[in-house]
Amino acid sequence: AQKVTQAQTEISVVEKEDVTLDCVYETRDTTYYLFWYKQPPSGELVFLIRRNSFDEQNEISGRYSWNFQKSTSSFNFTITASQVVDSAVYFCALSEAQDNAGNMLTFGGGTRLMVKP
Amino acid sequence: AAGVIQSPRHLIKEKRETATLKCYPIPRHDTVYWYQQGPGQDPQFLISFYEKMQSDKGSIPDRFSAQQFSDYHSELNMSSLELGDSALYFCASSLGGPTEAFFGQGTRLTVV
Repeated sequence: AQKVTQAQTEISVVEKEDVTLDCVYETRDTTYYLFWYKQPPSGELVFLIRRNSFDEQNEISGRYSWNFQKSTSSFNFTITASQVVDSAVYFCALSEAQDNAGNMLTFGGGTRLMVKP
Repeated sequence: AAGVIQSPRHLIKEKRETATLKCYPIPRHDTVYWYQQGPGQDPQFLISFYEKMQSDKGSIPDRFSAQQFSDYHSELNMSSLELGDSALYFCASSLGGPTEAFFGQGTRLTVV
């Protein structure tokens, strides 16, 4: 069975600080996909990134960066120079690859990030 | 670009009533997923369809049913509503396997 754990339920930072959101996952599959989604107060789920299990390259997109480490089953997300607009709940999610489509996402409990001015 | 469309955006129902939520996937996407997100919780997978056939089932109550139609839109039917069904219901769509699942804006269901 797959499981995603986001140990930090809530983080509060001051604008311009860097912040890292942790994500640890469990799966028995060798092929799987990891995701990060952002849920702002308006409620929608905004896709941020997908990573497959064979691609351990770290990725940077503007102020966002992701650190995928299979050895520790972690897929951490760092926001550099945080801004008030980054305030949201962030979800890490896992999908195990199967032969057929319709593979569900298992979400972590989410981390609520509050960026104060 | 076209996104996943869900309707209605908000719905208020009384206990024991029935509700139908609709989802229109991104054009050419063949897979639809339904998720339920209770207050302060993470989204929980309910059910998915691939090419109009049910492909996976999660913690969907027996009071709920869903289907995907020939035009690939999907409907989630909920009967005998309970207060605990109050939640944000998301539909997502994707093309084939575990590619990016794009989520709709959700339907907020309130049962009173």
